[in-house]
Amino acid sequence: GQQVMQIPQYQHVQEGEDFTTYCNSSTTLSNIQWYKQRPGGHPVFLIQLVKSGEVKKQKRLTFQFGEAKKNSSLHITATQTTDVGTYFCAGETSYDKVIFGPGTSLSVIP
Amino acid sequence: DAGITQSPRHKVTETGTPVTLRCHQTENHRYMYWYRQDPGHGLRLIHYSYGVKDTDKGEVSDGYSVSRSKTEDFLLTLESATSSQTSVYFCAISEGTSGSSEQFFGPGTRLTVL
Repeated sequence: GQQVMQIPQYQHVQEGEDFTTYCNSSTTLSNIQWYKQRPGGHPVFLIQLVKSGEVKKQKRLTFQFGEAKKNSSLHITATQTTDVGTYFCAGETSYDKVIFGPGTSLSVIP
Repeated sequence: DAGITQSPRHKVTETGTPVTLRCHQTENHRYMYWYRQDPGHGLRLIHYSYGVKDTDKGEVSDGYSVSRSKTEDFLLTLESATSSQTSVYFCAISEGTSGSSEQFFGPGTRLTVL
């Protein structure tokens, strides 16, 4: 079936290092969303990308949508302890059918 | 945070018993969703609703049923709970379809089936 995968599953970084998580789909996506879930919390929407090759920035976070609309990435520059959590991508594989990736869990060592 | 509450927040039950989880919203959003979250699987859609009395199945709907008799309430029922249904359940709402709009998630319900 249609799948959305994320790598890595876990990432441990020293505070100040950069972090990247990758999202890959087996099918072309209409759009992709990113969510963040803090430990013990609920997912919170970060951003939505719609256009092929789109790049969006939110302060230290950079989101990219691949040219073929089958992959996406989230890059965090100079991680801080407040970045700790699990980052999920969610791709719309067909009309109103959104599949979440399994998430990348980020821990930041002070 | 969007006005979404879930009840109960924690529940322990025994195999074979019925369980109902409630999601309540004060945002008047049309779409409501039930997800389960398990390690290594992310969020998987159980059922969703696109209006009062309008519901449809998600990718993991077996063993679950839902009802939406009012805009603000979306109920998830496990007819006969099994240990494989031990999970954290999240309700979510959105103004538009899940692909076009951000989803706002509730605080979650941790369900343990013994």
